[in-house]
Amino acid sequence: GAGVSQSPSNKVTEKGKDVELRCDPISGHTALYWYRQRLGQGLEFLIYFQGNSAPDKSGLPSDRFSAERTGESVSTLTIQRTQQEDSAVYLCASSPIPQGYEQYFGPGTRLTVT
Amino acid sequence: DQQVKQNSPSLSVQEGRISILNCDYTNSMFDYFLWYKKYPAEGPTFLISISSIKDKNEDGRFTVFLNKSAKHLSLHIVPSQPGDSAVYFCAASAYTGFQKLVFGTGTRLLVSP
Repeated sequence: GAGVSQSPSNKVTEKGKDVELRCDPISGHTALYWYRQRLGQGLEFLIYFQGNSAPDKSGLPSDRFSAERTGESVSTLTIQRTQQEDSAVYLCASSPIPQGYEQYFGPGTRLTVT
Repeated sequence: DQQVKQNSPSLSVQEGRISILNCDYTNSMFDYFLWYKKYPAEGPTFLISISSIKDKNEDGRFTVFLNKSAKHLSLHIVPSQPGDSAVYFCAASAYTGFQKLVFGTGTRLLVSP
């Protein structure tokens, strides 16, 4: 079946512009996670959705970052007034239940802020 | 504060030999540990996991060992194959209503023919 998909695969933007990153989880997966991976770093947790509510936003690095999820499907991560330090690969993952340990990852969106 | 550490950024092994990837953690609340494998331009894929109530879990060529007293886990790949060449991430979780994974920085494994 279809895995987690993300779009765009690559995004280059100028500093100060807003960007939207999209994630389509595996159908039926209620839990959705956003992570980012900066160069040379591990994956860094950003936010978790159960259904369309976000019980844990603790990983969002600043108020320029926000995320939404429609029902138990598509999620968008929005970064306002992008900065160069936002350059990273943004990864989305989903799992069937929040208690599930195995998370299925998408291929990521590589964001470059110039 | 790096709660999960992979101190070896890279490892080179010959085909057929054993690959041993190491991971250390600091948070004693972690109760589940996972290894993910990542190829370039792809998302990480789940490889193998272990609960804190066990000290070993095996799946084919892959075995994960957990030493809770040392807060250390390792992934053994035997025999190593060129297709195993990838970046391997160790991840840990402490259940807080959902599985928030904390990842290490990864070890790049190169298996040469």
